[in-house]
Amino acid sequence: SQQGEEDPQALSIQEGENATMNCSYKTSINNLQWYRQNSGRGLVHLILIRSNEREKHSGRLRVTLDTSKKSSSLLITASRAADTASYFCATDAGGANNLFFGTGTRLTVIP
Amino acid sequence: NAGVTQTPKFQVLKTGQSMTLQCAQDMNHEYMSWYRQDPGMGLRLIHYSVGAGITDQGEVPNGYNVSRSTTEDFPLRLLSAAPSQTSVYFCASSSHSGVTEAFFGQGTRLTVV
Repeated sequence: SQQGEEDPQALSIQEGENATMNCSYKTSINNLQWYRQNSGRGLVHLILIRSNEREKHSGRLRVTLDTSKKSSSLLITASRAADTASYFCATDAGGANNLFFGTGTRLTVIP
Repeated sequence: NAGVTQTPKFQVLKTGQSMTLQCAQDMNHEYMSWYRQDPGMGLRLIHYSVGAGITDQGEVPNGYNVSRSTTEDFPLRLLSAAPSQTSVYFCASSSHSGVTEAFFGQGTRLTVV
C-alpha cells in the first residue's frame, strides 16, 4: 500500500489555539495536498505544496514539506469551532492524477 | 455549478445483489476516480479514468467494474455485493492538465447485509 500515515490520529484543542498535524509518506512525490472532511461529507481541498517547495501559506493554514524525511505538517492557527473535521494528506505518487491518502487526523475544536 | 454529483446517498444491499453507483461531473474534467473509505484506512483508490473510453485499476479493484462512455459520467458497478464491500464510496474528478486539486462528491454509504 502507498498510503501514508498521519499523526496524531485524534486531536482536541480549545478555540483560539493552534493545531498541528503531521503526515508521513512512503515514495517520491511531485506534490502533496491536504484535504478536510466534515462529518458525513465529501473531501474539500485545502492546499497543495509542490516537491520543490518547503513551506506554503493560505489564510490560517501553513504547510511544510520535508522531502528528505518524506513528511509534511499542517498548522491551523487561531482555530475555530468550524475547523472541527478530519484532515487528510494525499500524495500523487500513483501518477495519472491518482492520489494516495493518509489515514487522517480527527480534529475537535472546543468552543 | 453542481461539481461532482453522486447517487444514491445511501443504499442497503443483500449479499449477491448487484448495483451501480452513479457519478457525474459538470466541470469538463478529464480525470475521474472512485475511492472507498473505511474506518482507520483513509481513502483507497478503486478505479480511475483519464478520459472517455479509458479506465484502469487502482489499489483495490476486485469486485468492482467501471466504464467511461462520456466525459461527464463514471459509474461504479458492484457485480455481486459482499459484506466486505460495506463502505463509504467517493467519486472525484480533476483536470488532467497540470497539478490540480481533486473535487469530491458527497459520498454513497453502502451497507451489504
